[in-house]
Amino acid sequence: DVKVTQSSRYLVKRTGEKVFLECVQDMDHENMFWYRQDPGLGLRLIYFSYDVKMKEKGDIPEGYSVSREKKERFSLILESASTNQTSMYLCASTRAGFYEQYFGPGTRLTVT
Amino acid sequence: SQQGEEDPQALSIQEGENATMNCSYKTSINNLQWYRQNSGRGLVHLILIRSNEREKHSGRLRVTLDTSKKSSSLLITASRAADTASYFCATDVRARVTETSGSRLTFGEGTQLTVNP
Repeated sequence: DVKVTQSSRYLVKRTGEKVFLECVQDMDHENMFWYRQDPGLGLRLIYFSYDVKMKEKGDIPEGYSVSREKKERFSLILESASTNQTSMYLCASTRAGFYEQYFGPGTRLTVT
Repeated sequence: SQQGEEDPQALSIQEGENATMNCSYKTSINNLQWYRQNSGRGLVHLILIRSNEREKHSGRLRVTLDTSKKSSSLLITASRAADTASYFCATDVRARVTETSGSRLTFGEGTQLTVNP
């Protein structure tokens, strides 16, 4: 079974801190995605990556950056956390040419 | 606005009843998917229907797709309390599909289904 893991289920950070959210998948998937989920707004794509060291902006990249140094790992970075980045963050992966995405359990981030 | 929009936003039914959720979208698609999310967890893929298909079944799930109306429906038959979850439709963005990449998806806001025992 495909497994996508995220480094933390719950995270509390202070405004201005640099925050790293890690995602690891074990099925050699080429594509990885970061979403945030907010009530009434559904899932919104922040960044995605089609290959190691490749990244593309999603719909809401402002305030975020990503890193993909290894195929199995995709990191989301909040350079200077703000309260409006309090949200549920979901990582997903999929094999190239396929559409079904496999999701991690999510990280609920609170910025105070 | 969202590419995929579910209707209704919330649905409450009794165990054993059928639940129907609808999804509308705006642009051409390669396929449409439905996902399920239990409270506070990640999404789980349920079913994918391609643009050249009209109906697809998987266990108690039945999905229809009407590309002329740009809409899809998810029917869960003989619902159980364990079906309580949020259900999302997701459409691909056709223009971004390449041979070597997967397709980025656009998700709707979801339908919250509550099945009462």
